[in-house]
Parts: sequence; structure tokens; C-alpha cells
Amino acid sequence: KAGVTQTPRYLIKTRGQQVTLSCSPISGHRSVSWYQQTPGQGLQFLFEYFSETQRNKGNFPGRFSGRQFSNSRSEMNVSTLELGDSALYLCASSSLGQRSTDTQYFGPGTRLTVL
Amino acid sequence: KQEVTQIPAALSVPEGENLVLNCSFTDSAIYNLQWFRQDPGKGLTSLLLIQSSQREQTSGRLNASLDKSSGRSTLYIAASQPGDSATYLCAVHNQGGKLIFGQGTELSVKP
Repeated sequence: KAGVTQTPRYLIKTRGQQVTLSCSPISGHRSVSWYQQTPGQGLQFLFEYFSETQRNKGNFPGRFSGRQFSNSRSEMNVSTLELGDSALYLCASSSLGQRSTDTQYFGPGTRLTVL
Repeated sequence: KQEVTQIPAALSVPEGENLVLNCSFTDSAIYNLQWFRQDPGKGLTSLLLIQSSQREQTSGRLNASLDKSSGRSTLYIAASQPGDSATYLCAVHNQGGKLIFGQGTELSVKP
């Protein structure tokens, strides 16, 4: 089975621009979660989608948004980029149902640099 | 609010040594706990997952234990090798799809 894939792997943007990151989960997985990793804050949860619905949301400003498509692929959008948005963005997929507790599998991440 | 702490932040050991990484969490109402490995600039590789009803899990040279009542987990690595050098992260899952991570332990195994 192919693993979680994320595109693009690297991205350079300037302040004020917007960016869209993509995540394709493992085939058959319906849950996709997004995380931001920075040296100062570590790994922080952004949001989780399950069957095209946002099921959980972390404490990030409204500039961070996401969506999930019917094939479970997910996109994350950041508008009006700030220098502090520079980070490694990771997505994870699992077969989590409403109450199951399966392993989460992570993609390689997208390294976003904001200049 | 769930908080996860990992001690030590960094560890350097000679090859062949057995070692223990520690993880503690403040809210014992968890679904499971997961240990990950992260190589520099890379994504996370899942090592072991322990369900809340389990006490330990083993995979090869790795053994993870969970004491939910005291809010502690340990990752034991036997006969360490230079290839084990990486950052090890523990994460607890106590809400659908949301993992709370510790800050990690950076492990260096010297040949």
C-alpha cells in the first residue's frame, strides 16, 4: 500500500501571499489530520477531517483552513502568510471511525518558508 | 488541558547500550499513546501504539510501556545502534483524530 503523500515537498512564499498544501491519505483511510511543526512550538494540531467534515480543530487563527474531498484527499490553505507560518506541515491519515483508535500514519511533510 | 512532557530533551549514548526514554502526560483519559521516530527534516515514523487497556507493546528491540493511572510511558531501546539516532516523540490521543505531542528526545548513538 502506498503511504501518505504530500505535495509540494518544499515551498517558498512571501508575506501576504496565500498557499495551498495537498495530502493524499493511505487508500481506505477516511481521517486526515494536519499538524504544524516549528522548532519553538513543536508539533501542534491544526485540524482533522473525516468523511469531508471537519471533526476537530486546534487553536490556530482563521487564516488556516482546510477541506476534504470525497476521495479523502485533503487540502490545507493558509491566507495572508506571516513570517511565523514558516514550518514543516505534516498530514496524517488513519482509518479512525467515530470512536476507534487506530495508528496515525504521517506523510513526509511540506516545508513552507515565508520570506 | 492535556500536556505531554518528555525527559530528557537530549541523550547521547555509546553503541550497544540499553536506554530508556520517558514520557508523562497530565490527563489519564486517553484512547492510546503512540511513539514516533523523526529523522532530521523528515516526517514521522510510527514505532509503537499502546491502547489505553494495554500495559506494553514490543517490536524488535523496542518495548513501550504504559501506566495510565500515573500518566507515564517509557520507550526502552535494547542494544542501541548508530542508526537509532533520531528524535523520538510520544503522543497521546484523547480526542478523535487529535494527537498531543511531547517536545521529543533527541537521541545520538555514538559508534
